[in-house]
Amino acid sequence: ETGVTQSPTHLIKTRGQQVTLRCSSQSGHNTVSWYQQALGQGPQFIFQYYREEENGRGNFPPRFSGLQFPNYSSELNVNALELDDSALYLCASSLFRTGSTDTQYFGPGTRLTVL
Amino acid sequence: AQSVTQLGSHVSVSEGALVLLRCNYSSSVPPYLFWYVQYPNQGLQLLLKYTSAATLVKGINGFEAEFKKSETSFHLTKPSAHMSDAAEYFCAVSYTGANSKLTFGKGITLSVRP
Repeated sequence: ETGVTQSPTHLIKTRGQQVTLRCSSQSGHNTVSWYQQALGQGPQFIFQYYREEENGRGNFPPRFSGLQFPNYSSELNVNALELDDSALYLCASSLFRTGSTDTQYFGPGTRLTVL
Repeated sequence: AQSVTQLGSHVSVSEGALVLLRCNYSSSVPPYLFWYVQYPNQGLQLLLKYTSAATLVKGINGFEAEFKKSETSFHLTKPSAHMSDAAEYFCAVSYTGANSKLTFGKGITLSVRP
């Protein structure tokens, strides 16, 4: 069974640029959630995708957007990067079923530095 | 609004000593509760979860947690700390399902002294 993978591991961008982060969900999972973890803080929920549609969003501006593909992999796009976007971005996958108590399994994260 | 409080940002114990990491949540409905561990430069690993079954939950690596509704708490314990337990620990809550939005606490850094 393949776990959650994310790419790239690290990247450095400058203010105003755009970035795309990628996530491959665990085998058999159909839901992907993205979290932002600033240094010294707990992860903050950005949004979740289920069946290729956004299924819940946290308190993040519209310049944070995402996609989910038919194979359940996902992308997180951030436009007009700001210094405060520097963080570890975590992807988590899970299997959504009515009444399910399945949990979210996290990938290793992408460390984004904005200069 | 959902919230999770983890008291203290740093806990230090001696190897072999009891580990107790505290977590309180705000809720008027039964939540799903989780403890995750994060080692340096890694993602989050699930230690254990409470999903309205048994109130005493056993997890991996000898950790366990007890759900106490009257105290709105879900404290994490381990009878005997090991050097390899040194890491960041996060308590998280979800109110709409275990695979839904997780709200995390700020985390507690556990140090283990030889």
